[in-house]
Amino acid sequence: GAVVSQHPSRVICKSGTSVKIECRSLDFQATTMFWYRQFPKQSLMLMATSNEGSKATYEQGVEKDKFLINHASLTLSTLTVTSAHPEDSSFYICSAMTGTNSPLHFGNGTRLTVT
Amino acid sequence: QKEVEQDPGPLSVPEGAIVSLNCTYSNSAFQYFMWYRQYSRKGPELLMYTYSSGNKEDGRFTAQVDKSSKYISLFIRDSQPSDSATYLCAMSPSNDYKLSFGAGTTVTVRA
Repeated sequence: GAVVSQHPSRVICKSGTSVKIECRSLDFQATTMFWYRQFPKQSLMLMATSNEGSKATYEQGVEKDKFLINHASLTLSTLTVTSAHPEDSSFYICSAMTGTNSPLHFGNGTRLTVT
Repeated sequence: QKEVEQDPGPLSVPEGAIVSLNCTYSNSAFQYFMWYRQYSRKGPELLMYTYSSGNKEDGRFTAQVDKSSKYISLFIRDSQPSDSATYLCAMSPSNDYKLSFGAGTTVTVRA
């Protein structure tokens, strides 16, 4: 079964509003979670690494003020897309490891549509 | 040149056939290799995870890693329509959790 839960699975919002996406690790503690973005028929692009209790590490080209990441507990990381615009419409997926040197497990993704 | 190369397909096979997928990579530091299956509008699901050269089998799935050739493969035996999905290879260096993904290969198994 899924070890990473992501919510919501789908969200539609108006341009200029903010959207929060939650990623929870089930039955394990995740000191590190990862946020990816996926465009149609393309592979996953790492946006940022979320570290519990500290600031997230963003990949080059990803605006940290637009994509706010908070990892307030060992089981929850949130991604907030601020002042969303239609070009932010995408599939956002979080992931976490169940242990050291273990493979990543992914959530089921959130499809964001900005109108 | 991309760090990980994967033919995007699409690949269409009849039910029962063997599906053969592969990726090549350029970074010799990669030590951990994974295959994920992704259904439409879903997150990737881990299928296979290996960290050494050779073969690993799990049910109908066999993963092969050839580090000398920088080449990994996934074989699906007795393919079923439910295997129709996009298959992503991924890899990372030891103790580095940033995965490098292939583009994904879309597979359709025809009933």
